[in-house]
Amino acid sequence: AAGVIQSPRHLIKEKRETATLKCYPIPRHDTVYWYQQGPGQDPQFLISFYEKMQSDKGSIPDRFSAQQFSDYHSELNMSSLELGDSALYFCASSPRGTSGSLNEQYFGPGTRLTVT
Amino acid sequence: DAKTTQPNSMESNEEEPVHLPCNHSTISGTDYIHWYRQLPSQGPEYVIHGLTSNVNNRMASLAIAEDRKSSTLILHRATLRDAAVYYCILDGATSGTYKYIFGTGTRLKVLA
Repeated sequence: AAGVIQSPRHLIKEKRETATLKCYPIPRHDTVYWYQQGPGQDPQFLISFYEKMQSDKGSIPDRFSAQQFSDYHSELNMSSLELGDSALYFCASSPRGTSGSLNEQYFGPGTRLTVT
Repeated sequence: DAKTTQPNSMESNEEEPVHLPCNHSTISGTDYIHWYRQLPSQGPEYVIHGLTSNVNNRMASLAIAEDRKSSTLILHRATLRDAAVYYCILDGATSGTYKYIFGTGTRLKVLA
């Protein structure tokens, strides 16, 4: 079965540079979520999109922005990178459903961002 | 956002059952209870979910207390491949949000 695809899988950037992470959801999934997981920490919700509109926002820094495109893929743009941005970034997708009562999220393999 | 509380770590012998508890005393009426697990360097993986009744699937069973303020994930026969961090997560469907709030999770160690 098709899974969530994230690219790149690994990314090394220097401080103050920019980075773009991409997420391709499972076909027919209309909702995308982004999570950040620092070293030894638990995943933290950043932002989500439903039908190309931002649906929820978590602890996403102002330096980060994201969007979902017409083909439902999503991109997380990160500017003025800091050492503390080094983390695993996971994208997840789900079919929203009509009632919203079931929100099983399928996670991608993650992008490991290292800021030096 | 409703929070969950889990023990930081647990150990189990291989081939034995494991009961992973989760407290969620502030759960809302229609919040689903989800369990995910995360193996090292991988994304979280869906395990099971439920609302009120106990649930079984090929991976595990989920026992939900009658008052829904706690639940227990049951792995019937732990294997070395089950060693992971297990997260109990409430679905914020009643608040109209669907983000997952990950707690600290339980790190399960399986002994050979």
